[in-house]
Amino acid sequence: DQQVKQNSPSLSVQEGRISILNCDYTNSMFDYFLWYKKYPAEGPTFLISISSIKDKNEDGRFTVFLNKSAKHLSLHIVPSQPGDSAVYFCAASAAGGTSYGKLTFGQGTILTVHP
Amino acid sequence: KAGVTQTPRYLIKTRGQQVTLSCSPISGHRSVSWYQQTPGQGLQFLFEYFSETQRNKGNFPGRFSGRQFSNSRSEMNVSTLELGDSALYLCASRYRTGGDQPQHFGDGTRLSIL
Repeated sequence: DQQVKQNSPSLSVQEGRISILNCDYTNSMFDYFLWYKKYPAEGPTFLISISSIKDKNEDGRFTVFLNKSAKHLSLHIVPSQPGDSAVYFCAASAAGGTSYGKLTFGQGTILTVHP
Repeated sequence: KAGVTQTPRYLIKTRGQQVTLSCSPISGHRSVSWYQQTPGQGLQFLFEYFSETQRNKGNFPGRFSGRQFSNSRSEMNVSTLELGDSALYLCASRYRTGGDQPQHFGDGTRLSIL
């Protein structure tokens, strides 16, 4: 039962263009969503988050969009840079229930930004 | 500001042994969570501790246990190791449990079972 899904295992983008990473979830109790970036041999690094009361959150080059009716969120990176090449994980948590306090992760998307 | 520190970074054990992993959270953070990352299952939640109390637990057997000390440092113990326990074990901390707060991760302990 995969409650958070990242259906694209990989994404390749040219430097300077937009990268769009997608994530779908099934648990309607999820109310807080996060994106993490992970380099090999390092732990995940927090990028940006969004609460279910919002539909957009921006931080510099990173913007996260949330569509609650579709149970879908996306991360936009503009402009993309070669240093953005990493594995990106979508994660979700809930304020209550069995998902309280824990992050449920997607399987990750490998982003490659070509110079 | 120092990040989450996990020790050791690498560990090799044999089947049947037990292992203890350590995590020091970011200063001021009182919640510590543990996750297991494997190629097949991805990142999975093990448990969360806050104020020395376990607040939530994932779907792992009782061989996996943890504790948190009064200084918020945490340890995770795995007994009777199995080959399938080979994984990257990640610790994450945040100021308090619940709410809209991101968890910040350490670089993990790579555990290999022979």
